[in-house]
Amino acid sequence: SYVLTQPPSVSVAPGQTARITCGGFGIGGKSVHWYQQKAGQAPVLAVHDDSDRPSGIPERYSGSNSGNTATLTISWAEDGDEADYYCLVWDSGSDHWVFGGGTKLTVL
Amino acid sequence: QVQLVQSGAEVKTPGASVKVSCKASGYFFTSYYMHWVRQAPGQGLEWMGIINPSGGYTTYAQKFQGRVTMTRDTSTNIFYMEVISLTSEDTAVYFCARGGGRRIEMPSHWGQGTLVTVSS
Repeated sequence: SYVLTQPPSVSVAPGQTARITCGGFGIGGKSVHWYQQKAGQAPVLAVHDDSDRPSGIPERYSGSNSGNTATLTISWAEDGDEADYYCLVWDSGSDHWVFGGGTKLTVL
Repeated sequence: QVQLVQSGAEVKTPGASVKVSCKASGYFFTSYYMHWVRQAPGQGLEWMGIINPSGGYTTYAQKFQGRVTMTRDTSTNIFYMEVISLTSEDTAVYFCARGGGRRIEMPSHWGQGTLVTVSS
């Protein structure tokens, strides 16, 4: 089955740029979606189809995807960005959806 | 606006079953797939399966095949997800999440989650 690998944690200083990666074999050929989940809340779609932002998501959130790594970039990090972030792809081989293990973002 | 309202928390004993509901509103019910996702305490998100509300067709993650059943009632706009033979490993928050018009479109709207606790 398809596996997505995320770092368990990422730290960033306020105002700096955070980059959260999602690794998978040939992930560049798939559409990657990113979710933000704050403590005790349901996930919220932050970036879809590699780099598109839903309405209401700040421009500070961006995504890229190439080769074996997709990246969620959060520019000008704020305290309110502290959350868990998950990548998600649809694996055509298994016809299943697959989540990455999640990354806890800390804004120091 | 799209709203997904789930049923309340449940406490079950091992071996029992649980049925979680998800009432959808604010969009045309049969036009969008519905995913079910769970999250064990302190753990990540786990995709359980997907249902096509138009024909009721389902695809389950391999891990849940034979133990999970997803259904829908088009007269009340409610989705259901039942898990049988519960163990403590099934203690989790269960989410419904509306997908797109095609099965390969991502979930974009989520219910508030339903906590299921399995304990003797």
